[in-house]
Amino acid sequence: KAGVTQTPRYLIKTRGQQVTLSCSPISGHRSVSWYQQTPGQGLQFLFEYFSETQRNKGNFPGRFSGRQFSNSRSEMNVSTLELGDSALYLCASSWDGEAFFGQGTRLTVV
Amino acid sequence: EDKVVQSPLSLVVHEGDTVTLNCSYEVTNFRSLLWYKQEKKAPTFLFMLTSSGIEKKSGRLSSILDKKELFSILNITATQTGDSAVYLCAVGGGGSQGNLIFGKGTKLSVKP
Repeated sequence: KAGVTQTPRYLIKTRGQQVTLSCSPISGHRSVSWYQQTPGQGLQFLFEYFSETQRNKGNFPGRFSGRQFSNSRSEMNVSTLELGDSALYLCASSWDGEAFFGQGTRLTVV
Repeated sequence: EDKVVQSPLSLVVHEGDTVTLNCSYEVTNFRSLLWYKQEKKAPTFLFMLTSSGIEKKSGRLSSILDKKELFSILNITATQTGDSAVYLCAVGGGGSQGNLIFGKGTKLSVKP
């Protein structure tokens, strides 16, 4: 069974730009969650999607958004990038409470 | 405010030692507690605990949950250099299984 796939693996963007990250969950998993990981804050919850609906949202500004498609693939978008958005963005797909993570996308904002 | 606290923050041991990592939590609507190992990128799932007092084991790793005292421990016996990693504790709470609250992690270094 294929694991969670995130693309791209690395991104370098300029302040003010926007970025879209993609996540394909484990086959059969309908819940997809996104997390931001930074050295100072650790892993922080962004949002969760289940069957194309946002089910829960963390404490991040509205510049962070996401969506989920009918095949459970999910995207997250960050608009008007700031230097502080540089982080590892992790996607997790869940089944029955067990969450499995992808390799992450390393975003660097310059 | 929901929180998960791990201790110690870092630990250095020698191969063959046994280590115990701690995780305490205060999370509303507790659902489960999960342990992960993170070496470079993706946290790797180790255990999910939902019931008190039932030990979960996988090889040299084991974990147990105490829902009365709100903590969990992760034990690693006969440590190897390959066990060097950051171990993360996460608690699932609220109304959604996708929302995990993470601790800061324990960085374990195993010396040969």
